[in-house]
Amino acid sequence: NAGVTQTPKFQVLKTGQSMTLQCAQDMNHEYMSWYRQDPGMGLRLIHYSVGAGITDQGEVPNGYNVSRSTTEDFPLRLLSAAPSQTSVYFCASTGAGTGAYEQYFGPGTRLTVT
Amino acid sequence: EDQVTQSPEALRLQEGESSSLNCSYTVSGLRGLFWYRQDPGKGPEFLFTLYSAGEEKEKERLKATLTKKESFLHITAPKPEDSATYLCAVQAGRGYNKLIFGAGTRLAVHP
Repeated sequence: NAGVTQTPKFQVLKTGQSMTLQCAQDMNHEYMSWYRQDPGMGLRLIHYSVGAGITDQGEVPNGYNVSRSTTEDFPLRLLSAAPSQTSVYFCASTGAGTGAYEQYFGPGTRLTVT
Repeated sequence: EDQVTQSPEALRLQEGESSSLNCSYTVSGLRGLFWYRQDPGKGPEFLFTLYSAGEEKEKERLKATLTKKESFLHITAPKPEDSATYLCAVQAGRGYNKLIFGAGTRLAVHP
């Protein structure tokens, strides 16, 4: 049981390049999310999904796209990278329900845009 | 607006010196408050969930408490391996259980 996995661990992009950050979970969780973490700020929600085929925007969605074709995978696409997108990106998953469920986080992808 | 504030930003303790971290929140319809530990270069690791005022949870040297406005993470006789950033998050409202995070407290425990 690997939990939540993310690739790559590190990435350097030039301004204007595009790329996809991969996220996969093997816990059969319905909910998956992408967060970014910047110094001095809390984790901020980018996009989330409540199930295969269903996605929605979080707090800071501009410049990012997501899709959820399977329960296991939730890739995050940067359409045209900008220096403001330099950050650490975390994917998380959690079970569905109306209660409060802890989220499980991946190890993160550190992205630098020059 | 839902908000989570953690204090202090950073805390330096000597090994064995007990202290508390604070997480104050303003949120409508709190469904749960979470504490996470984050080591450098790693993702947050779940510690506790608290659901209602008066609730307490313990794990080794850590104890989390909850009131209607804030939560405390008490660290008793800390060891150097407790050094990490501690994150507080709240889950509110209905529907998708997205989390609102505080900026964290960086704890350093020195021998």
